[in-house]
Amino acid sequence: DQQVKQNSPSLSVQEGRISILNCDYTNSMFDYFLWYKKYPAEGPTFLISISSIKDKNEDGRFTVFLNKSAKHLSLHIVPSQPGDSAVYFCAARGGEIQGAQKLVFGQGTRLTINP
Amino acid sequence: ETGVTQTPRHLVMGMTNKKSLKCEQHLGHNAMYWYKQSAKKPLELMFVYNFKEQTENNSVPSRFSPECPNSSHLFLHLHTLQPEDSALYLCASSQVGSGRRYFGPGTRLTVT
Repeated sequence: DQQVKQNSPSLSVQEGRISILNCDYTNSMFDYFLWYKKYPAEGPTFLISISSIKDKNEDGRFTVFLNKSAKHLSLHIVPSQPGDSAVYFCAARGGEIQGAQKLVFGQGTRLTINP
Repeated sequence: ETGVTQTPRHLVMGMTNKKSLKCEQHLGHNAMYWYKQSAKKPLELMFVYNFKEQTENNSVPSRFSPECPNSSHLFLHLHTLQPEDSALYLCASSQVGSGRRYFGPGTRLTVT
């Protein structure tokens, strides 16, 4: 059973507009959420995170929103730039592996920014 | 970013071969991980090492054998793999207790 889902495998947005990437989760014990960005031939890189005690976290053009009652989080990118074209992974932290917390990843959304 | 390096970057092997993937982290972290990424699937955690001790084997077949000689190096030994094992294998590191992972660039493995 997939605990973290990104239901849109791809998204296409015009440069300068807002990109909204969505993520749903099922486990109410998740306490921390992260977004990673992945370019081809590179590993995922951390983008932004949010604790379950908050509903919003902002870093420059990137904002993550958390709706705990709906078990939903979203990543907003505004304005979108061509360099934002990548695969975005949502991840949730929950449970302990002897001190190294377990991350559960979604399957990713490929974002394409069109000039 | 050269915090986590992986070699080789690409590997093609037959089902009867034995090969090893290598990962090295230069971040002073004390936890290391192997993940598998298959097309259109979430990243799957394979193994976790905390302070050089394996703490998680996520139901991984025995044809994958990890080794962590010290907190900076991690290996994945491969033998008698199947074509369905073809995937991107990612190494990551973190501080124990941190939710944030630092990933290497991955090894693209093709089993023929």
